[in-house]
Amino acid sequence: DAKTTQPPSMDCAEGRAANLPCNHSTISGNEYVYWYRQIHSQGPQYIIHGLKNNETNEMASLIITEDRKSSTLILPHATLRDTAVYYCIVRVDYGQNFVFGPGTRLSVLP
Amino acid sequence: DTAVSQTPKYLVTQMGNDKSIKCEQNLGHDTMYWYKQDSKKFLKIMFSYNNKELIINETVPNRFSPKSPDKAHLNLHINSLELGDSAVYFCASSQEGRGWWQFFGPGTRLTVL
Repeated sequence: DAKTTQPPSMDCAEGRAANLPCNHSTISGNEYVYWYRQIHSQGPQYIIHGLKNNETNEMASLIITEDRKSSTLILPHATLRDTAVYYCIVRVDYGQNFVFGPGTRLSVLP
Repeated sequence: DTAVSQTPKYLVTQMGNDKSIKCEQNLGHDTMYWYKQDSKKFLKIMFSYNNKELIINETVPNRFSPKSPDKAHLNLHINSLELGDSAVYFCASSQEGRGWWQFFGPGTRLTVL
């Protein structure tokens, strides 16, 4: 079973920042937080991951709370092409598969 | 330049048939996976292979048999197809280690009639 909790759906206006929350209150010290998205029926696409520190790449930023019990994925300027299901996953660094929950369906509105 | 490729993209077949789905990755990764995404859209791991050895085998019927001829390929063979096998099957690969993520293929939509 997935060890994360995400809202089932969110809307965001095009051009605005999309902030997607994730709760992982039972995360252990060696588990990373990963974010993926799945656009329509395409293969899941890796976005970003982190352990303790906030991370940023060309796609998004990941903010992890100090107690590591929750995180937020930020898409700084959402576009219509960012409409997708976003999955938050926690996983140890090796030896475990990724467990996908139902995710958050983000709809970016014009 | 496709990182993880699958063939075929669509597969329509009759109940009782045997079919295979092929997966290839050109990333030099040492671990490959098969996932199943059913009509409810939940993605579930089926198998994981590391350096041609089976690592994870979730509760999958033994009609499903993964075959890894080499590190770059992981094929999925399905015997005696059933209606409930209809789903999208995704192959993925990764290089195991700290903080590595999985690259997914485009998926194969299997429809059993």
